[in-house]
Amino acid sequence: AQSVAQPEDQVNVAEGNPLTVKCTYSVSGNPYLFWYVQYPNRGLQFLLKYITGDNLVKGSYGFEAEFNKSQTSFHLKKPSALVSDSALYFCAVRLDRGSTLGRLYFGRGTQLTVWP
Amino acid sequence: GAGVSQSPSNKVTEKGKDVELRCDPISGHTALYWYRQSLGQGLEFLIYFQGNSAPDKSGLPSDRFSAERTGGSVSTLTIQRTQQEDSAVYLCASSFQSGGAETQYFGPGTRLLVL
Repeated sequence: AQSVAQPEDQVNVAEGNPLTVKCTYSVSGNPYLFWYVQYPNRGLQFLLKYITGDNLVKGSYGFEAEFNKSQTSFHLKKPSALVSDSALYFCAVRLDRGSTLGRLYFGRGTQLTVWP
Repeated sequence: GAGVSQSPSNKVTEKGKDVELRCDPISGHTALYWYRQSLGQGLEFLIYFQGNSAPDKSGLPSDRFSAERTGGSVSTLTIQRTQQEDSAVYLCASSFQSGGAETQYFGPGTRLLVL
């Protein structure tokens, strides 16, 4: 079975400090990995994705994520956090083949709070 | 261009009633997905449509749930005989194609409350 784990329900960081939101995955096959952000009462907003190639992926709003195949991880990072980054972050995985090709498998989400 | 739109944004209904939720995908997107977001279950896949192919209904939680997509565009998710456990945010997404690398773009969701 495919699964995504976000081990931290909450991450708190001071503005200006680096932030990391962790994600690990378990899939049968090659994964495509995604990060989405959700602001209160809003839908999911795409941040970035890993398909193949360079393990460091850069996305919107200064976010980046590093794909680590040996550790099956795809942690989201930002060098300098902003208060406006406070939101709920979801990691998701999609397979490159098989009967469940269409669906995204999501982690439980991590609430990021950036303190001024 | 316009993103994915969903209506209504909020729906309150009584237990046992039927509800219909609508999704308008991004123009030109051939794949359409429905997910459900609830406190207890997180984000769950429900169903996905790709062009004229048979939909993948494997995520629908019961036979009270059904969905259709007319003309390869607008989709309607129908919940019959609603139960309190159906209360959740129903999210629709679309993508240009259905390949695994394609990005799914989400609408704002419909918040359903079953009393």
